Amino acid sequence: KNEVEQSPQNLTAQEGEFITINCSYSVGISALHWLQQHPGGGIVSLFMLSSGKKKHGRLIATINIQEKHSSLHITASHPRDSAVYICAVRPWGGATNKLIFGTGTLLAVQP
Amino acid sequence: DAGVIQSPRHEVTEMGQEVTLRCKPISGHNSLFWYRQTMMRGLELLIYFNNNVPIDDSGMPEDRFSAKMPNASFSTLKIQPSEPRDSAVYFCASSLGTRARGLLGTQPQHFGDGTRLSIL
Repeated sequence: KNEVEQSPQNLTAQEGEFITINCSYSVGISALHWLQQHPGGGIVSLFMLSSGKKKHGRLIATINIQEKHSSLHITASHPRDSAVYICAVRPWGGATNKLIFGTGTLLAVQP
Repeated sequence: DAGVIQSPRHEVTEMGQEVTLRCKPISGHNSLFWYRQTMMRGLELLIYFNNNVPIDDSGMPEDRFSAKMPNASFSTLKIQPSEPRDSAVYFCASSLGTRARGLLGTQPQHFGDGTRLSIL
C-alpha cells in the first residue's frame, strides 16, 4: 500500500464544474504539498499546508491532520486547468526533508 | 527572478554512454533535490543536499548513479554507464530549508523544467 494515495486517478469534467481531488496518507507529516504538472512537463507548487485551508484564485486546498486527508478543489473549472495534480507529503521527524509523492490525478476539463 | 535551471532539456544517447544532468538552484536556496519521474513509478526522490552536503541518497537506484554539489549554485547528476531503463524525466528542485524544529520542511520546493532523458 502506498503511503500517499490519491483519488480519482483520472477525472474528466465539463467546463464550469466544481472539481475535488482527494489525497490520503498514512504517515505523520509536517507539511502537505499540492503540485500541478501540465502536459509540457513543468511542475508548479500550488499549495503547501500543514493545517486548515488555503485559497488561491479558483483553487482551494484543505487538510484534516487527524484524518490524514487533504482535498484540492477547483471552482468554475476551465480547460486550462487540465493537468496532473500531485499530492506530496513531508514526513515528520528526523533530519529528512524529502517528499513522498502520490501517483497523481489526471484532470481533463472539456469545453 | 530566475527559477531552477536545468540542462539539457532533452538528451538522447546510446546505452553505455555517460550522461550528465545539470542544475542551478534558485539563489539563496540551501536545499537541492533530484527527482526521477516515470510512467510506472511516478515521481521519486533520488537524492537531496542541504548546504551542499548529501543528506539522503537512499533513492539513488544503484552505483551507476552519482550526484555532486560542488557549490551552492550548481549540482550534477551523472549516470555511467547509462541503460535504457534509465529513460525518464529528471527534475531538480530547490528550497530554503532549515533544521530548526518546527520549521523543518515547511518551505515549498521550486522545480526546474526537467530533463527528458532517452537511452536507446
